[in-house]
Amino acid sequence: EVQLVESGGGLVQPGGSLRLSCAASGFTFSSYWMSWVRQAPGKGLEWVASMKEDGSQIYYVDSVRGRFTMSRDNARNSLYLQMDSLRVEDTAVYYCARALWANYFDQWGQGSLVSVSS
Amino acid sequence: QSALTQPASVSGSPGQSITISCTGTSSDVGGYNYVSWYQQQPGKAPKLMIYDVTKRPSGVSNRFSGSKSGNTASLTISGLQAEDEADYYCSSYTSSRTWLFGGGTKLTVL
Repeated sequence: EVQLVESGGGLVQPGGSLRLSCAASGFTFSSYWMSWVRQAPGKGLEWVASMKEDGSQIYYVDSVRGRFTMSRDNARNSLYLQMDSLRVEDTAVYYCARALWANYFDQWGQGSLVSVSS
Repeated sequence: QSALTQPASVSGSPGQSITISCTGTSSDVGGYNYVSWYQQQPGKAPKLMIYDVTKRPSGVSNRFSGSKSGNTASLTISGLQAEDEADYYCSSYTSSRTWLFGGGTKLTVL
């Protein structure tokens, strides 16, 4: 059974940093693109970032480029999102998602809530 | 980039069919067949329902179907059931090597 389990969310002040982790199991992690998708409270889904199987290609939404850094450790079956210079508008549930053929999010974690507030 | 355009809400009675539209541009929906649809129940993670415009993942009911014409993709749910009540999102790959979601459509089963 495919499982994606996010951790690391919490409350942080504007300008602060947080690192999200996603532990993957039940599939060959190193064979898939992986992505982060977020959802602000009561709002829709927003794609945040995607990374190729070997980490050689990474893409970000404009609003986080330069502030967020996505990485992966295929040996540990883990995905990460380092979030720096956090803003109030980054408040959201962050989902780790497997990206089938890069373009489709076919498996999702349960989400991790990030709240940015003073 | 702006989100793909979806109607905020649609409704239908049990047994009826409904269609949700998703309008983009030639740089996303119209330019690629990488359109997908997701169902999100309250408090749950999204679930992939349609990919490659028309394809259903294993386990998804054949009551769900997808199509595309020009810059607009559509999700049709036939034989509407109470359990279909949820939020639905479309998504597309874009020419900027990013991915866009629609704003979401709330489906109410009357």
